[in-house]
Amino acid sequence: EVQLVESGGGLVQPGGSLRLSCAASEFAFSGYAFNWVRQAPGKGLEWVSYISSNSNDIYYADSVKGRFTISRDNAKNSLYLQMNNLRAEDTAVYYCARDTPRIAVAGCFHYWGQGVLVIVSS
Amino acid sequence: DIQMTQSPSSLSASVGDRVTITCQASQDISNYLNWYQQKSGKAPKLLIYDASNLEIGVPSRFSGSGFGTDFTFTISSLQPEDFATYYCQQYDNLPYTFGQGTKLEIK
Repeated sequence: EVQLVESGGGLVQPGGSLRLSCAASEFAFSGYAFNWVRQAPGKGLEWVSYISSNSNDIYYADSVKGRFTISRDNAKNSLYLQMNNLRAEDTAVYYCARDTPRIAVAGCFHYWGQGVLVIVSS
Repeated sequence: DIQMTQSPSSLSASVGDRVTITCQASQDISNYLNWYQQKSGKAPKLLIYDASNLEIGVPSRFSGSGFGTDFTFTISSLQPEDFATYYCQQYDNLPYTFGQGTKLEIK
């Protein structure tokens, strides 16, 4: 069964940094694109970032561009989100989500991790 | 950015009811539309992709339709485990965007 397990969340002061990780297992990690999606407390879903299977294509939401960096290590079956210059509005549960295996299609989140909470507060 | 407008925002219904949620895109997105279910405290779950394709393992009481800008999600006969929040999401253009959600509650 596909498993995605996020870690690295916690409480951080405004302007601070955190690095989220998503450990994948039970499937061929290197063959899939991934995304980060977040959900502020009591709010809806917001797509944050995308990375292709070979890291050649990377995209960000405008709200995090220049502050967040997505990356992956296919040898370690892991996805990362480096978050710098954090703001109160970045407070949310962050989910890693595996994208569709279909060729020339992206943006279908077939599998999700359980999520990790990031709180930005002084 | 493509805006996704879901309606209603909340809905009360009874077990056995037929329920329909609509989602309107601010521009033509072809059939690049997904539907997710999210239960409280849990990650979203993909139910429908490409507007009308049922994800593997999802019960057939769930269905979707539509093309272009107007889409519909239907539960043919509500079950107790279906009470949750539902989101539409477009993947025609980046940034991928979600509707605001429809909270389905027990009447």
